[in-house]
Amino acid sequence: AQSVTQLDSQVPVFEEAPVELRCNYSSSVSVYLFWYVQYPNQGLQLLLKYLSGSTLVKGINGFEAEFNKSQTSFHLRKPSVHISDTAEYFCAVSRYSSASKIIFGSGTRLSIRP
Amino acid sequence: KAGVTQTPRYLIKTRGQQVTLSCSPISGHRSVSWYQQTPGQGLQFLFEYFSETQRNKGNFPGRFSGRQFSNSRSEMNVSTLELGDSALYLCASSPPDRESSYEQYFGPGTRLTVT
Repeated sequence: AQSVTQLDSQVPVFEEAPVELRCNYSSSVSVYLFWYVQYPNQGLQLLLKYLSGSTLVKGINGFEAEFNKSQTSFHLRKPSVHISDTAEYFCAVSRYSSASKIIFGSGTRLSIRP
Repeated sequence: KAGVTQTPRYLIKTRGQQVTLSCSPISGHRSVSWYQQTPGQGLQFLFEYFSETQRNKGNFPGRFSGRQFSNSRSEMNVSTLELGDSALYLCASSPPDRESSYEQYFGPGTRLTVT
């Protein structure tokens, strides 16, 4: 079975500072990896995905993530955050064989201070 | 294209009652998945329907059921409601080809409160 661990439940950051949200996964089979964002009172939006190929993936809103197979990690980064990035971020995994069944991490709440 | 729509957006029910939630996927999408989001358990996969058939199922009791219609719209039903069923229920649809089935588009959710 797959599982996802987000190591930080909350991350406070000053505006224009860099941020890294950490994610580790475990799986005995090959998986897809995702980061989703949830703004207050809204559904989830896909930020970026890793399917195969280059381990550095770029997403929307200036976010990027790096897949590290040896560390089983998929950390999300942004070099300079804005107030509008305040949201909850979810790391997620799905198996190739049942790609639509997504297992989510517990989420990291990113709060941006002016 | 219009996004995924869910109705109603908010619902208050009493313990023991049953409830039906509705989800209309993006036009052309044939897969619909349902998730439950709670502060304690986070986001949990309920089930997925594709072409009117349940294709995947999570670890929820039989009180939680769903169905999908020929137009891909889906409904989710919870019978004999318990206080712990209070949650945000999210629906997501994905494109028809298997290679893109990971690409899920979420609706805004239905907030269910059980009293």
